[in-house]
Amino acid sequence: EVQMLESGGDLVQSGGSLRLSCAASGFTFSNYAMSWVRQAPGKGLEWVSAIRGSGGTFYADSVKGRFTISRDSSKNTLYLQMNNLRAEDTAVYYCARASPYGSGWYGSNDYWGQGTLVTVSS
Amino acid sequence: DIQMTQSPSSLSASVGDRVTITCRASQSITTYLNWYQQKPGKAPKLLIYAASSFQSGVPSRFSGSGSGTDFTLTISSLQPEDFATYYCQQSSSTPITFGQGTRLEIK
Repeated sequence: EVQMLESGGDLVQSGGSLRLSCAASGFTFSNYAMSWVRQAPGKGLEWVSAIRGSGGTFYADSVKGRFTISRDSSKNTLYLQMNNLRAEDTAVYYCARASPYGSGWYGSNDYWGQGTLVTVSS
Repeated sequence: DIQMTQSPSSLSASVGDRVTITCRASQSITTYLNWYQQKPGKAPKLLIYAASSFQSGVPSRFSGSGSGTDFTLTISSLQPEDFATYYCQQSSSTPITFGQGTRLEIK
């Protein structure tokens, strides 16, 4: 059974840092791109970042230069290092597998974790 | 960046109704379009990928169509468990973008 379990969410002050983790199981982790998607309270879904199996990384403009996505295939774990946090980064952060189709490398997010809450106080 | 615009933003309907949600991309995304359902306090669930392909386990009352810039999600006969928020997502290019969501409520 495919599962993702996020951890690391917390209350942090503006300007602070936090590292989120996502432990994946039930599939060959290194074969899939992985992504982070967030949802601010009462708002819609916002794609944050993705990392390909080969290690290529991609970011939303809103987090570029502040967030770093990485993966450790020996631990089947995805990470999101978040620096210089702002109030607008307050959200539930979801880890999601990217399952490709056609000639695209990303495809769709077919499995999601339950999310971890990050609250940034100003 | 590719902008995704959903309509309507909210919709009231009754059990048994046929419902259509539309999603428009700001440029052609061929069929790199996915639909998700989200219920309060839960993670999104993939319903349709590649514009019209069913994710495993999704009831056949859900269907998707479209290509290029215009897409639709149709629920043929609403069931009580279908009242939720629906999002489209393009995966043609990064940054990956979502529509703003359509909240489907019980009339």
